[in-house]
Amino acid sequence: EIVMTQFPATLSVSPGERATLSCRASQSVSSNLAWYQQKAGQAPRLLIFGASTRATGIPARFSGSGSGTEFTLTISSLQSGDFAVYYCQQYNNWPPLTFGGGTKVEIK
Amino acid sequence: QLQLQESGPGLVKSSETLSLTCTVSGGSISTNNYYWGWIRQPPGKGLEWIGSIYYSGSTYYNPSLKSRVTISVDTSKNQFSLKLSSVTAADTAVYYCTRHYYDGDYLYFDYWGQGTLVTVSS
Repeated sequence: EIVMTQFPATLSVSPGERATLSCRASQSVSSNLAWYQQKAGQAPRLLIFGASTRATGIPARFSGSGSGTEFTLTISSLQSGDFAVYYCQQYNNWPPLTFGGGTKVEIK
Repeated sequence: QLQLQESGPGLVKSSETLSLTCTVSGGSISTNNYYWGWIRQPPGKGLEWIGSIYYSGSTYYNPSLKSRVTISVDTSKNQFSLKLSSVTAADTAVYYCTRHYYDGDYLYFDYWGQGTLVTVSS
């Protein structure tokens, strides 16, 4: 099973600032990685797939990069609605599909 | 607009079987490259994939749960279901029904139900 590790666990950022979230895979997943945003009390929402392709309707301030074992989700200028928990998920080798433990982006 | 809605008991006794159904509306479950499945989230914790099914009936399970999980599909009703046997308190979670796309290159969960909390009681 591929283990996904996200860091930091919590990121404190001021509105308008840039947020950089990291995700590491226990072995190479190529570019087979997706990112999701989950707000409190809601289901997750797809942001990125293929490590860097934004899903339909996702603003350009969200960008993904990386390949192999190291990945980054960058939110270029945080808006109030972006404070949430973010998860990475690998699909290079499944089953199982595996998620990282999440990074909570909170208001500084 | 595609919608997924979970239904089933919110309280299950320890050692019994958890049963949930997901009703899909606004689109057909029998669509190529789309898989239907379940993800759960214990309170305050992260996401765990349980398993998925294709409309043909092919199933894919998380090995950690495989011995206890059955996912089935009813294309005539546009529904799919989850059964998890021998539940314990560790199975208490919000259960989401989901759709994921997979074409051999990309895989992503693009539609989720609102989630239903299932509590396992002793």
